Amino acid sequence: EPEVTQTPSHQVTQMGQEVILRCVPISNHLYFYWYRQILGQKVEFLVSFYNNEISEKSEIFDDQFSVERPDGSNFTLKIRSTKLEDSAMYFCASSEQGRGPHREKLFFGSGTQLSVL
Amino acid sequence: EDKVVQSPLSLVVHEGDTVTLNCSYEVTNFRSLLWYKQEKKAPTFLFMLTSSGIEKKSGRLSSILDKKELFSILNITATQTGDSAIYLCAVVPTTSGTYKYIFGTGTRLKVLA
Repeated sequence: EPEVTQTPSHQVTQMGQEVILRCVPISNHLYFYWYRQILGQKVEFLVSFYNNEISEKSEIFDDQFSVERPDGSNFTLKIRSTKLEDSAMYFCASSEQGRGPHREKLFFGSGTQLSVL
Repeated sequence: EDKVVQSPLSLVVHEGDTVTLNCSYEVTNFRSLLWYKQEKKAPTFLFMLTSSGIEKKSGRLSSILDKKELFSILNITATQTGDSAIYLCAVVPTTSGTYKYIFGTGTRLKVLA
């Protein structure tokens, strides 16, 4: 079965540094998402992306965050200046094109565990 | 504020037991409710429910939605150690342009041999 792949699986960085988390969504999917899960808390929506632009973003997704689909296959999340509270598991997800219920079913990657020291 | 609440938070059972996991929600303009299983990292899809009273079934797992009382249950019969995981409930409101999920905290299930 096709998979969403994320790299790296673990990322350790110093506070104030920039990080880029990478994702390769399933090839025929057109909707892309980033979610995060702080240890012991709920999975939270960050941002959705379609047709090369942000469709929706949460309050968490402030000016320090950006997303990009640089080459038609990768989907990246950049955090410009990391803070301690950015430490979390970051999940990429994608969903199918088209109308109807299938678009709601998200396929998640295995996540990148980001640790900010 | 949209909210999804799951119960219990954790559960320990023995192989062969039947478990019922609960998910209640308060969202504006409900569209669908989804169940995911999270074993190690990536949540994997189990069910999507949109209509009240229609049971979805896959092997030993089944789920049903009650849109009047705003809840869903996930049943697992004849549990096995491989069912040990976190079970996540997520709701999609129609106000979301691109199907943003609102997750519950999850129920951590441990099945003992």
